[in-house]
Amino acid sequence: SQTIHQWPATLVQPVGSPLSLECTVEGTSNPNLYWYRQAAGRGLQLLFYSVGIGQISSEVPQNLSASRPQDRQFILSSKKLLLSDSGFYLCAWSTGEGNIQYFGAGTRLSVL
Amino acid sequence: RKEVEQDPGPFNVPEGATVAFNCTYSNSASQSFFWYRQDCRKEPKLLMSVYSSGNEDGRFTAQLNRASQYISLLIRDSKLSDSATYLCVGGGADGLTFGKGTHLIIQP
Repeated sequence: SQTIHQWPATLVQPVGSPLSLECTVEGTSNPNLYWYRQAAGRGLQLLFYSVGIGQISSEVPQNLSASRPQDRQFILSSKKLLLSDSGFYLCAWSTGEGNIQYFGAGTRLSVL
Repeated sequence: RKEVEQDPGPFNVPEGATVAFNCTYSNSASQSFFWYRQDCRKEPKLLMSVYSSGNEDGRFTAQLNRASQYISLLIRDSKLSDSATYLCVGGGADGLTFGKGTHLIIQP
């Protein structure tokens, strides 16, 4: 069966510090991978998606970047965090566009 | 612009009652529809897919009206454990669009 792992579960970082969140998927090959952010009391905002190794699409301009160094690994990064980067970050995978997406447990990021 | 609109609620419903909520979608090209459930401070989890013919899973019934571009979710005999936020989702070849969710509170 397929599983998705995301870590860390919670993170407190000072403004201006770097960020690296990792997501890995097991039990499937060539998944579509997604990064979302959910601010407190808000909906899911798609940040990045990837249909293959090295292929990243960005949905909104922002202080973040994403990379996919391996088929089942998706990394979200920032060189310098802003207060507005605080939120609940969710990684998800699917077998294709328009198909069901399965979410990791999420990382709750607080930038202070 | 692709949008999925939902009433944010909260819907306060007594245990055992039937509750229904709808959502509307703007992208007429959407081909796949889902309801997800999200508990407080947790990730969204798939509740059920929504088919044109309507589908039922235990106490849950989902229906799609393509002509009016809305999706509905009906919960019968509601349980305390049904308290959560329900996300309506529409999608197609360009990915999924999530609504902001409807907050449901089942009261004893």
